Amino acid sequence: DAGVTQSPTHLIKTRGQQVTLRCSPISGHKSVSWYQQVLGQGPQFIFQYYEKEERGRGNFPDRFSARQFPNYSSELNVNALLLGDSALYLCASSLDGGGAREQYFGPGTRLTVT
Amino acid sequence: DQQVKQNSPSLSVQEGRISILNCDYTNSMFDYFLWYKKYPAEGPTFLISISSIKDKNEDGRFTVFLNKSAKHLSLHIVPSQPGDSAVYFCAALSNFGNEKLTFGTGTRLTIIP
Repeated sequence: DAGVTQSPTHLIKTRGQQVTLRCSPISGHKSVSWYQQVLGQGPQFIFQYYEKEERGRGNFPDRFSARQFPNYSSELNVNALLLGDSALYLCASSLDGGGAREQYFGPGTRLTVT
Repeated sequence: DQQVKQNSPSLSVQEGRISILNCDYTNSMFDYFLWYKKYPAEGPTFLISISSIKDKNEDGRFTVFLNKSAKHLSLHIVPSQPGDSAVYFCAALSNFGNEKLTFGTGTRLTIIP
C-alpha cells in the first residue's frame, strides 16, 4: 500500500514569492495535518484538516493557508516567502476515528528560500 | 514554552545492549503519546504509541513506559541494532478537538557496532 506522498521533493524560491506544496494521504485516511521542521527542532504543527474542514491551526501567520479536496488530498500555500520559511514541510495523515490516533508522515518537501 | 522535552540531545549505545530514551511533558491535557524515528532527509516513521490509561505498551523490540504522576515516558529498545541509529522524537496529543502533535526536540541515538 502506498504511504503518504508529497510533491515536490525539493523547491527553491526567492523572497516574496509564493509556493504550493501538495500531499496525498494514505488510502482511507480522512485527516491531513501539516508540520514545519527546522534544523535542530521537532516538527511544529501548522494545520489539520478533516473531511475538508479546518480542525486546527498552529501559531503561524496568515501567509500560511491550506485546503483539503474531496479526495482528501491537501495543499499548503505560503505567500510572501521569507528566509525564515526555509524548512522541511511534512504532511501526515491519520484515520482520525475509532480510537486510531497515529499519524503517518510523508517524506517531506524541502523548501529553500533565497 | 516547551511542553514536551527530550533533555538528552544524543545517546550512544553498544550494539545488543538496551537503549533507553526519555521524554518529559508538562501539559496535563496530553492523553496519547507517540514515538517516531527519523532518518536524515526522510519523514518521521511511527514506532509505537501509548494511551494515558496504560502504563506500558510493547511491540517487538520496542517498549514504551508511561509514568503519569511524573509526567514522564521512556522508550526502551532491546536489543539495539545498528539500523536503530537515527533521531527519535517523542510526541503528544491532547483530547482538545484537534489532533495536533506536540513534539520534543529529539534525541540522536547512535548504535556502536
